[in-house]
Amino acid sequence: GAVVSQHPSRVICKSGTSVKIECRSLDFQATTMFWYRQFPKQSLMLMATSNEGSKATYEQGVEKDKFLINHASLTLSTLTVTSAHPEDSSFYICSASNPGQYGYTFGSGTRLTVV
Amino acid sequence: GIQVEQSPPDLILQEGANSTLRCNFSDSVNNLQWFHQNPWGQLINLFYIPSGTKQNGRLSATTVATERYSLLYISSSQTTDSGVYFCAVRAAGNKLTFGGGTRVLVKP
Repeated sequence: GAVVSQHPSRVICKSGTSVKIECRSLDFQATTMFWYRQFPKQSLMLMATSNEGSKATYEQGVEKDKFLINHASLTLSTLTVTSAHPEDSSFYICSASNPGQYGYTFGSGTRLTVV
Repeated sequence: GIQVEQSPPDLILQEGANSTLRCNFSDSVNNLQWFHQNPWGQLINLFYIPSGTKQNGRLSATTVATERYSLLYISSSQTTDSGVYFCAVRAAGNKLTFGGGTRVLVKP
């Protein structure tokens, strides 16, 4: 149980375009999901907390207009990287807490390359 | 915010060796997890262990909450144990803070 599905796993886009990443909780409802960013050989940095039915809470230094988060249902949160630039290239990972279990479950991540 | 430090940053092991990874944190926590990140980036939850000791096969973990540290033990290491091991904690609120990770390479 407590599976989080993330798509796509890999995406290459042209500079200036937007990319949407989906994060779904498959067998549980997630009122809160989290989005992380990971640069090569570094740790995970929390970008924002996605709250179902309300605005996301962004960490300091994260541009909310560039990284749009929508959590319209209890099983789906999306992260849209708008007007992507090469410096947005990174590994993006979502997670959700597990009701009835303990701790957090993570999606498989999305490797974004902006060319 | 809470600080999480992991040591060592890198570890090279011969297959079959045992090792201990350490995670220190700067404040009281109500959630501590150990993860293994495989070469494809997937984070695998190893332990939820805010206190006490747990074992799962060749892996075990101990958290001494009063002294603000946790240890992950790998016994009889295998090449498939290679990857990055992260400790992550939650203090107040619901946000997980990750340590810097320990990069483990197990050589055959």
